[in-house]
Amino acid sequence: EAGVAQSPRYKIIEKRQSVAFWCNPISGHATLYWYQQILGQGPKLLIQFQNNGVVDDSQLPKDRFSAERLKGVDSTLKIQPAKLEDSAVYLCASSLMGTETTEAFFGQGTRLTVV
Amino acid sequence: AQKITQTQPGMFVQEKEAVTLDCTYDTSDPSYGLFWYKQPSSGEMIFLIYQGSYDQQNATEGRYSLNFQKARKSANLVISASQLGDSAMYFCAMGGGSQGNLIFGKGTKLSVKP
Repeated sequence: EAGVAQSPRYKIIEKRQSVAFWCNPISGHATLYWYQQILGQGPKLLIQFQNNGVVDDSQLPKDRFSAERLKGVDSTLKIQPAKLEDSAVYLCASSLMGTETTEAFFGQGTRLTVV
Repeated sequence: AQKITQTQPGMFVQEKEAVTLDCTYDTSDPSYGLFWYKQPSSGEMIFLIYQGSYDQQNATEGRYSLNFQKARKSANLVISASQLGDSAMYFCAMGGGSQGNLIFGKGTKLSVKP
Protein backbone atom coordinates (compact mmCIF):
# COMPACT_ATOMS: atom_id res chain seq x y z
CA GLU A 1 0.00 0.00 0.00
CA ALA A 2 1.43 3.36 -1.03
CA GLY A 3 1.89 5.93 1.70
CA VAL A 4 1.08 9.61 1.79
CA ALA A 5 2.93 11.42 -0.98
CA GLN A 6 4.04 15.03 -0.69
CA SER A 7 5.92 17.35 -2.99
CA PRO A 8 8.18 19.15 -3.14
CA ARG A 9 10.47 17.88 -0.36
CA TYR A 10 12.27 21.17 -0.02
CA LYS A 11 11.48 24.74 -1.02
CA ILE A 12 13.34 28.00 -0.51
CA ILE A 13 11.56 31.25 -1.30
CA GLU A 14 11.94 34.92 -0.50
CA LYS A 15 9.50 36.65 1.81
CA ARG A 16 6.39 37.99 0.11
CA GLN A 17 6.59 35.28 -2.57
CA SER A 18 3.96 32.59 -2.92
CA VAL A 19 4.38 28.83 -2.61
CA ALA A 20 2.21 25.75 -2.98
CA PHE A 21 2.51 22.25 -1.57
CA TRP A 22 0.83 19.14 -2.88
CA CYS A 23 -0.39 16.04 -1.05
CA ASN A 24 -1.80 12.73 -2.23
CA PRO A 25 -3.27 10.71 0.67
CA ILE A 26 -3.49 6.97 1.08
CA SER A 27 -6.14 5.57 -1.22
CA GLY A 28 -9.53 5.35 0.48
CA HIS A 29 -8.69 7.69 3.34
CA ALA A 30 -11.51 10.15 3.80
CA THR A 31 -9.73 12.47 6.19
CA LEU A 32 -6.78 14.65 5.24
CA TYR A 33 -4.79 16.94 7.51
CA TRP A 34 -2.18 19.64 7.00
CA TYR A 35 0.15 20.27 9.92
CA GLN A 36 2.83 22.90 10.41
CA GLN A 37 5.89 21.87 12.40
CA ILE A 38 8.22 24.67 13.43
CA LEU A 39 11.74 23.59 14.37
CA GLY A 40 11.86 22.20 17.90
CA GLN A 41 8.08 21.94 18.29
CA GLY A 42 5.39 19.37 17.77
CA PRO A 43 3.14 19.54 14.71
CA LYS A 44 0.26 22.00 14.84
CA LEU A 45 -2.93 21.37 12.87
CA LEU A 46 -3.63 23.93 10.15
CA ILE A 47 -6.64 22.37 8.44
CA GLN A 48 -8.61 19.12 8.39
CA PHE A 49 -10.72 17.88 5.47
CA GLN A 50 -13.36 15.17 5.53
CA ASN A 51 -13.69 14.10 1.88
CA ASN A 52 -13.71 17.49 0.13
CA GLY A 53 -15.24 19.51 2.97
CA VAL A 54 -13.38 21.49 5.64
CA VAL A 55 -14.14 20.34 9.19
CA ASP A 56 -11.54 22.38 11.09
CA ASP A 57 -9.52 25.36 9.91
CA SER A 58 -9.55 27.30 13.16
CA GLN A 59 -5.74 27.59 13.27
CA LEU A 60 -5.21 28.40 9.60
CA PRO A 61 -3.98 31.99 9.06
CA LYS A 62 -6.61 32.71 6.44
CA ASP A 63 -5.16 36.04 5.40
CA ARG A 64 -2.23 34.25 3.79
CA PHE A 65 -2.87 30.49 3.84
CA SER A 66 -5.40 28.63 1.73
CA ALA A 67 -6.05 24.97 1.10
CA GLU A 68 -8.32 22.92 -1.06
CA ARG A 69 -9.11 19.28 -1.63
CA LEU A 70 -10.80 18.91 -4.95
CA LYS A 71 -12.75 15.70 -5.56
CA GLY A 72 -11.91 14.53 -2.05
CA VAL A 73 -8.50 13.11 -2.96
CA ASP A 74 -5.42 15.30 -3.59
CA SER A 75 -4.91 18.51 -1.68
CA THR A 76 -2.87 21.67 -2.11
CA LEU A 77 -1.80 24.14 0.55
CA LYS A 78 -0.81 27.63 -0.55
CA ILE A 79 0.91 30.49 1.21
CA GLN A 80 0.66 33.96 -0.29
CA PRO A 81 2.53 36.10 0.64
CA ALA A 82 5.05 34.16 2.72
CA LYS A 83 6.59 35.56 5.88
CA LEU A 84 9.85 34.61 7.60
CA GLU A 85 7.91 32.92 10.41
CA ASP A 86 6.34 30.52 7.91
CA SER A 87 9.66 28.65 7.74
CA ALA A 88 8.71 25.16 8.91
CA VAL A 89 8.02 21.62 7.80
CA TYR A 90 4.54 21.17 6.37
CA LEU A 91 3.22 17.70 6.99
CA CYS A 92 0.28 16.12 5.25
CA ALA A 93 -1.48 13.19 6.90
CA SER A 94 -4.49 11.03 6.17
CA SER A 95 -6.71 8.64 8.07
CA LEU A 96 -9.63 6.37 7.26
CA MET A 97 -11.97 8.37 9.43
CA GLY A 98 -11.42 11.55 11.37
CA THR A 99 -12.19 10.13 14.78
CA GLU A 100 -10.26 10.18 18.02
CA THR A 101 -9.42 6.51 17.72
CA THR A 102 -8.00 6.28 14.21
CA GLU A 103 -4.32 6.79 13.62
CA ALA A 104 -3.09 9.24 11.04
CA PHE A 105 -0.41 8.34 8.52
CA PHE A 106 2.04 11.05 7.58
CA GLY A 107 3.98 11.96 4.48
CA GLN A 108 7.65 12.93 4.57
CA GLY A 109 6.81 16.61 4.67
CA THR A 110 7.88 19.69 2.79
CA ARG A 111 10.62 21.74 4.41
CA LEU A 112 9.98 25.42 3.63
CA THR A 113 12.63 28.07 4.17
CA VAL A 114 11.63 31.70 3.78
CA VAL A 115 14.55 34.10 3.42
CA ALA B 1 -9.11 22.51 26.02
CA GLN B 2 -6.99 19.49 25.24
CA LYS B 3 -3.30 19.49 26.05
CA ILE B 4 -0.35 17.13 25.81
CA THR B 5 2.74 17.63 27.98
CA GLN B 6 6.10 15.99 27.43
CA THR B 7 8.52 17.19 30.10
CA GLN B 8 11.70 15.50 28.86
CA PRO B 9 13.34 17.51 26.07
CA GLY B 10 16.08 14.89 25.72
CA MET B 11 16.87 11.42 26.99
CA PHE B 12 19.89 9.15 26.75
CA VAL B 13 19.77 5.36 26.98
CA GLN B 14 22.35 2.65 26.60
CA GLU B 15 21.85 0.22 23.76
CA LYS B 16 19.86 -2.89 24.81
CA GLU B 17 18.41 -1.16 27.89
CA ALA B 18 14.79 -0.10 28.38
CA VAL B 19 13.68 3.53 28.44
CA THR B 20 10.47 5.30 29.44
CA LEU B 21 9.32 8.48 27.74
CA ASP B 22 6.81 10.50 29.74
CA CYS B 23 3.53 11.94 28.52
CA THR B 24 0.67 13.52 30.45
CA TYR B 25 -2.54 14.79 28.95
CA ASP B 26 -5.54 16.89 29.81
CA THR B 27 -8.99 16.58 28.31
CA SER B 28 -12.62 16.75 29.34
CA ASP B 29 -13.74 14.36 26.59
CA PRO B 30 -14.82 10.93 27.83
CA SER B 31 -13.61 9.27 24.62
CA TYR B 32 -10.14 9.90 23.30
CA GLY B 33 -7.15 8.14 21.85
CA LEU B 34 -3.50 8.41 22.74
CA PHE B 35 -0.79 7.89 20.14
CA TRP B 36 2.97 7.81 19.98
CA TYR B 37 4.88 8.74 16.86
CA LYS B 38 8.58 8.50 16.03
CA GLN B 39 10.21 11.15 13.88
CA PRO B 40 13.69 10.28 12.60
CA SER B 41 15.97 12.94 11.17
CA SER B 42 14.43 12.25 7.75
CA GLY B 43 11.31 14.01 9.00
CA GLU B 44 8.56 11.46 8.48
CA MET B 45 6.21 10.80 11.38
CA ILE B 46 5.98 7.06 11.99
CA PHE B 47 3.04 5.69 13.97
CA LEU B 48 4.16 3.43 16.83
CA ILE B 49 1.31 2.60 19.18
CA TYR B 50 -2.25 3.52 20.13
CA GLN B 51 -4.27 3.39 23.37
CA GLY B 52 -7.99 4.05 23.57
CA SER B 53 -9.44 5.72 26.63
CA TYR B 54 -11.77 2.78 27.24
CA ASP B 55 -9.15 0.09 26.75
CA GLN B 56 -8.67 -1.94 29.90
CA GLN B 57 -5.27 -3.31 29.00
CA ASN B 58 -2.09 -1.44 28.14
CA ALA B 59 -1.24 -1.49 24.45
CA THR B 60 1.84 -3.33 23.20
CA GLU B 61 3.47 -3.45 19.76
CA GLY B 62 6.66 -5.44 19.60
CA ARG B 63 9.29 -3.59 21.67
CA TYR B 64 6.89 -0.73 22.37
CA SER B 65 4.39 -0.67 25.20
CA LEU B 66 2.22 2.08 26.53
CA ASN B 67 1.88 2.49 30.29
CA PHE B 68 -1.62 3.97 30.51
CA GLN B 69 -2.68 5.36 33.89
CA LYS B 70 -6.06 6.98 33.32
CA ALA B 71 -6.52 8.41 36.81
CA ARG B 72 -3.16 10.14 36.58
CA LYS B 73 -3.76 11.12 32.94
CA SER B 74 -0.48 9.69 31.83
CA ALA B 75 0.45 7.62 28.79
CA ASN B 76 4.14 6.82 28.98
CA LEU B 77 5.94 5.00 26.17
CA VAL B 78 8.26 2.17 27.16
CA ILE B 79 10.84 0.97 24.65
CA SER B 80 12.49 -2.29 25.60
CA ALA B 81 15.91 -3.44 24.38
CA SER B 82 16.83 -0.10 22.79
CA GLN B 83 18.56 -0.15 19.42
CA LEU B 84 20.73 2.48 17.74
CA GLY B 85 17.96 2.97 15.19
CA ASP B 86 15.63 4.13 17.95
CA SER B 87 17.48 7.44 18.12
CA ALA B 88 14.86 9.99 17.03
CA MET B 89 12.27 12.47 18.23
CA TYR B 90 9.24 10.90 19.90
CA PHE B 91 5.89 12.65 20.02
CA CYS B 92 2.91 11.87 22.17
CA ALA B 93 -0.42 12.88 20.65
CA MET B 94 -4.07 12.80 21.59
CA GLY B 95 -7.04 12.39 19.32
CA GLY B 96 -10.29 13.78 20.58
CA GLY B 97 -12.82 16.52 20.36
CA SER B 98 -15.60 16.76 17.85
CA GLN B 99 -13.29 16.46 14.85
CA GLY B 100 -10.89 13.84 16.17
CA ASN B 101 -7.77 15.61 15.03
CA LEU B 102 -4.41 15.01 16.71
CA ILE B 103 -2.87 17.36 19.23
CA PHE B 104 0.85 16.85 19.75
CA GLY B 105 3.26 17.42 22.58
CA LYS B 106 6.62 19.13 22.09
CA GLY B 107 8.46 15.85 21.78
CA THR B 108 11.38 14.08 23.43
CA LYS B 109 14.68 13.53 21.66
CA LEU B 110 15.96 10.05 22.40
CA SER B 111 19.61 9.23 21.86
CA VAL B 112 20.75 5.61 22.08
CA LYS B 113 24.40 5.14 23.00
CA PRO B 114 26.40 2.11 21.81
